[in-house]
Amino acid sequence: EDKVVQSPLSLVVHEGDTVTLNCSYEVTNFRSLLWYKQEKKAPTFLFMLTSSGIEKKSGRLSSILDKKELSSILNITATQTGDSAIYLCAPGSGTYKYIFGTGTRLKVLA
Amino acid sequence: SQTIHQWPATLVQPVGSPLSLECTVEGTSNPNLYWYRQAAGRGLQLLFYSVGIGQISSEVPQNLSASRPQDRQFILSSKKLLLSDSGFYLCAWSHSSQGQRFPGFGPGTRLLVL
Repeated sequence: EDKVVQSPLSLVVHEGDTVTLNCSYEVTNFRSLLWYKQEKKAPTFLFMLTSSGIEKKSGRLSSILDKKELSSILNITATQTGDSAIYLCAPGSGTYKYIFGTGTRLKVLA
Repeated sequence: SQTIHQWPATLVQPVGSPLSLECTVEGTSNPNLYWYRQAAGRGLQLLFYSVGIGQISSEVPQNLSASRPQDRQFILSSKKLLLSDSGFYLCAWSHSSQGQRFPGFGPGTRLLVL
């Protein structure tokens, strides 16, 4: 059975802190892994990772995939209150099927 | 550019009533379409996906069904709603050959079954 585990479940930090969110997976026919940010609405896309060891970066956010360890991390540096959200990880099983984790709830305090 | 529409935005329905949620995509042809559900405090659960008209794959057996009567239209239905059907329903699309290789989500429908 396909499985995704995200940790920590929740996190409270202060503005300016750096956070690392983890995603571990076991899926059949793995192709790629997605990261999304969800505030009180639909998730918005952050990254798509297909190759191991290659960091993807967007502003203060970065992410990397480790296919050997079946895991991925999402880093956020110099956090801001606008980063408060649920961060979802979704490894893909085959071409169409993405399995979402329950997410990490991040709260950034001013 | 492509856009995805869902309606209604919110819905309150009694137990045992039918359900029809509609999703349409503009600006693309032959997209892959998905229905996800997010129960309160939980992750997104894939319910159905479709790679073409009339082609529906079901991921979780339940009292819901999906149909794709037109290329860019995806409908989620139920004949009799259960309390456990409450949640946030999200339609999404992808298209590997048009650069949208990941699911892009619509605004969602919040369904409360009472």
